Amino acid sequence: EAGVTQFPSHSVIEKGQTVTLRCDPISGHDNLYWYRRVMGKEIKFLLHFVKESKQDESGMPNNRFLAERTGGTYSTLKVQPAELEDSGVYFCASSLRDIRTAEAFFGQGTRLTVV
Amino acid sequence: AQRVTQPEKLLSVFKGAPVELKCNYSYSGSPELFWYVQYSRQRLQLLLRHISRESIKGFTADLNKGETSFHLKKPFAQEEDSAMYYCALSPGNTGKLIFGQGTTLQVKP
Repeated sequence: EAGVTQFPSHSVIEKGQTVTLRCDPISGHDNLYWYRRVMGKEIKFLLHFVKESKQDESGMPNNRFLAERTGGTYSTLKVQPAELEDSGVYFCASSLRDIRTAEAFFGQGTRLTVV
Repeated sequence: AQRVTQPEKLLSVFKGAPVELKCNYSYSGSPELFWYVQYSRQRLQLLLRHISRESIKGFTADLNKGETSFHLKKPFAQEEDSAMYYCALSPGNTGKLIFGQGTTLQVKP
């Protein structure tokens, strides 16, 4: 069974540009999460989808970040315009049920560098 | 405030020595606590959760509500245990995880 897949694995962009990260969850997993780790800090929650609906987006830092999950399958996270402080590793995870009752499987992460 | 604290950035032990990775949490409700591990060049994966009360790869963790701790222990460390370990908390009625800053465990031969 394929795991959670993220594209691209690395991205280097200039400040002010737009970047779109993609996450393909494990097939059948309704729950999809985005997290990020900025340099030297802990992994922080961004948002949680249940199917195509945003269940919790309390961790989204500002309106430069837009997450979508059309059709309840893959998800995209767009950063527009990117700022230097957006640099970090962005993780996606999926689970069959709520993470309190089902294991969350993580992708390998996308390393974003804004220069 | 909901917070997870891992006081050690790096823990270095010799093979065969006991290991204890510390985790303290701050949460007013009844928490769900987890340990996640990331081995070199691998993705983050669940090691264990307190509710299942199981031992995985020789590791155990006991929830101590009085001390608000969930320390990870192993009696005899192996070189393959070298990795980054994250303690995480899931607040009630949410699907999110709150992570600690992580502890790098280095097991020397």
